[in-house]
Amino acid sequence: KNEVEQSPQNLTAQEGEFITINCSYSVGISALHWLQQHPGGGIVSLFMLSSGKKKHGRLIATINIQEKHSSLHITASHPRDSAVYICAPLGAGSYQLTFGKGTKLSVIP
Amino acid sequence: GAVVSQHPSWVICKSGTSVKIECRSLDFQATTMFWYRQFPKQSLMLMATSNEGSKATYEQGVEKDKFLINHASLTLSTLTVTSAHPEDSSFYICSASPLGRVTYNEQFFGPGTRLTVL
Repeated sequence: KNEVEQSPQNLTAQEGEFITINCSYSVGISALHWLQQHPGGGIVSLFMLSSGKKKHGRLIATINIQEKHSSLHITASHPRDSAVYICAPLGAGSYQLTFGKGTKLSVIP
Repeated sequence: GAVVSQHPSWVICKSGTSVKIECRSLDFQATTMFWYRQFPKQSLMLMATSNEGSKATYEQGVEKDKFLINHASLTLSTLTVTSAHPEDSSFYICSASPLGRVTYNEQFFGPGTRLTVL
């Protein structure tokens, strides 16, 4: 079973700050998803990555497969970024995602 | 592209009634769809994996007779909560994996359905 740890659990930031959310997992994976869940509950897939780094707008995701660690960065944070961010690794040879408990981000104007 | 819809977005029902939730891939065909459940302040938990044209695979602890899953086409999977009880109140989310993918790395999530059973 893949143990997924996210940190921090809660994060409050001032608008404009650089945000980092970390995710570590215990078992080798084939890919990792970063998801965003807004207060209404809907989930948006931000990134799916299996190596290196991906960038989309102000969001950057990195992964180190050897160290079993991934990070999500938000540059120039904005109140609309306030949401729960969930890390979900996909087991090697599996179709099942394991979900972290999420990081609740609040960005204050 | 890669949009998944769910209907309804929320539903309130009386205890003992059945509720059907639809999950549709709007602009792609999905060999496999996944159903998740999320209780307040908890992680998403996989309930079952649905493959088009075959029986769903349920996770341990999920009652297949209570949560009926039908994946009749490559764009539609339905989850029916039979004889719903208050403890079934939860947020139900589906995801879909596109046809033709060798692996299931790609999953696209629906917006979720909030079920409240009175």
